[in-house]
Amino acid sequence: KNQVEQSPQSLIILEGKNCTLQCNYTVSPFSNLRWYKQDTGRGPVSLTIMTFSENTKSNGRYTATLDADTKQSSLHITASQLSDSASYICVVSGRGFGNEKLTFGTGTRLTIIP
Amino acid sequence: GAGVSQSPSNKVTEKGKDVELRCDPISGHTALYWYRQSLGQGLEFLIYFQGNSAPDKSGLPSDRFSAERTGGSVSTLTIQRTQQEDSAVYLCASSLDRRQGYEQYFGPGTRLTVT
Repeated sequence: KNQVEQSPQSLIILEGKNCTLQCNYTVSPFSNLRWYKQDTGRGPVSLTIMTFSENTKSNGRYTATLDADTKQSSLHITASQLSDSASYICVVSGRGFGNEKLTFGTGTRLTIIP
Repeated sequence: GAGVSQSPSNKVTEKGKDVELRCDPISGHTALYWYRQSLGQGLEFLIYFQGNSAPDKSGLPSDRFSAERTGGSVSTLTIQRTQQEDSAVYLCASSLDRRQGYEQYFGPGTRLTVT
């Protein structure tokens, strides 16, 4: 069964600090992995998308890494800001399927405190 | 341009009542998806529409759930005889096409509470 596991479930850090969120998946054959940011009361918004041939991708202060051999990904947030407080969701898709067959993780709830 | 919109933003209903949730996708997007997000759970796929093709209903949890998409645009998700376990946030997303290279854009969701 395709699964996406995220850790930690929740994280609290001080404003200005860095943090790293983890994602492990069992989806096979793998096609691509996405990280979404979901603010409270809003829908998820895409941060990055990586195919199996990419091992790092940045979007501003967000940097995602992918190791397709170990089926692991991480999202690193640099110099955190209060607006980074949100849930971060890892989403994996299998090869040969469309957007309707995505597997979603349960998310990491990140709280930035001043 | 306008994003995906959903209404109502919140809905409280009594057990056994029917509810209708509405989704307005981004204009020109042929693919539309409904998801359910329960507390502490990942997004659960419910149903998707692609153009004029028959919808993929494989994710609907029971026959109390149904959805329509009129004119290839607006979609409504109907839950009949609601149960307390139906309480969740219902998210709608749209994309230009169902293929993976096309980004999904999510609406803000409808929070449904069944009392």
